[in-house]
Amino acid sequence: GAGVSQSPRYKVAKRGQDVALRCDPISGHVSLFWYQQALGQGPEFLTYFQNEAQLDKSGLPSDRFFAERPEGSVSTLKIQRTQQEDSAVYLCASSPRPANEQFFGPGTRLTVL
Amino acid sequence: AQSVTQLDSHVSVSEGTPVLLRCNYSSSYSPSLFWYVQHPNKGLQLLLKYTSAATLVKGINGFEAEFKKSETSFHLTKPSAHMSDAAEYFCVVTGYGGATNKLIFGTGTLLAVQP
Repeated sequence: GAGVSQSPRYKVAKRGQDVALRCDPISGHVSLFWYQQALGQGPEFLTYFQNEAQLDKSGLPSDRFFAERPEGSVSTLKIQRTQQEDSAVYLCASSPRPANEQFFGPGTRLTVL
Repeated sequence: AQSVTQLDSHVSVSEGTPVLLRCNYSSSYSPSLFWYVQHPNKGLQLLLKYTSAATLVKGINGFEAEFKKSETSFHLTKPSAHMSDAAEYFCVVTGYGGATNKLIFGTGTLLAVQP
């Protein structure tokens, strides 16, 4: 069956631009996570949704980062006024229930010039 | 707080020889531990997980890991490396607290397999 998909796969933005990254989780998965993976590093947690509720946003690095999942399925991670330090791969993962295995998408590689 | 330390950033082995990727963990609770693999331009894939059942955990593609509480280790092994095993491997622990089962990743070990 279809896995987690993310779009776009690659995004180049000029510093100061706003970007929106989309995640389509596996159908029926309750939990959705966003992670940020800087070059040469392991992924780091950004935020977590259970259905449409954002239950944990402790990993968001600044108030320029905003995530939503309004209908409990597709999620969007928005970054306002992008900075060079935002350059990274943004990974989305979903799981059937909170304590289950997380299935990862291929990621969106964001490059801020 | 939970954390993992991967002791080697790069490991190189010859095809057909054993693989050992080392990981130490720190956890205030009885941890759930995982190994994930990341091939270039592909998503992270779960290799295996430990959740307080058997201490020797078998995963996909012939990999296994042993949970050793006395050594706070969760090393990943495979008896015989294959060229297709070349990838980056992450040791992961579950973070606790709040409503999240977020994953806390190590910095990764890049495995190279020489012919």
